[in-house]
Amino acid sequence: QKEVEQNSGPLSVPEGAIASLNCTYSDRGSQSFFWYRQYSGKSPELIMSIYSNGDKEDGRFTAQLNKASQYVSLLIRDSQPSDSATYLCAVNMKGADAGGTSYGKLTFGQGTILTVHP
Amino acid sequence: ETGVTQTPRHLVMGMTNKKSLKCEQHLGHNAMYWYKQSAKKPLELMFVYSLEERVENNSVPSRFSPECPNSSHLFLHLHTLQPEDSALYLCASSVRVGWGTEAFFGQGTRLTVV
Repeated sequence: QKEVEQNSGPLSVPEGAIASLNCTYSDRGSQSFFWYRQYSGKSPELIMSIYSNGDKEDGRFTAQLNKASQYVSLLIRDSQPSDSATYLCAVNMKGADAGGTSYGKLTFGQGTILTVHP
Repeated sequence: ETGVTQTPRHLVMGMTNKKSLKCEQHLGHNAMYWYKQSAKKPLELMFVYSLEERVENNSVPSRFSPECPNSSHLFLHLHTLQPEDSALYLCASSVRVGWGTEAFFGQGTRLTVV
């Protein structure tokens, strides 16, 4: 099982629609979750972080977290062509250093390609 | 100044060459990372440094050698690479290595090994 799993897509939605992106993760002890957007040829850009169960809204973006189901999602309302990009789910999973001290290790999914067509 | 700066942006090197990638962060963070991004694969964590000390090496081949002289600078020294090492190499930084810390990425170095 992949540590962080996303449907690679592509997901195609019309302009103005809601785009729904999903992510599941394997480590039940994970405590923090992030969504990054990556345009073609560019580096990942952080757009949302979520730490507690429920919804977190920021403008047109809503992140949803369900720790019991090990599931995190991102909704994009009123999708625009400029939202076309790859969306990466990242989970802070348990890592350990050489001395055995645990820390959060950011682990990424494969990414979902989103295309918003006019 | 952007938060995390990487140089060079593009690099073409032969399999016998030695080159270095540089990363500098201006965010006052204590943790820095190297990631590799290949086509159709998730971002792969290569190295983690916390306050200049290497915390994790994800079984990366020895032809990749990291160096972190201080908390603002990170290097990746490359030698005798293989064509399959061609990828986008991303540097990132965070406030600390730990739970709940967001990582901020540089623009990446697109490496081609010929």
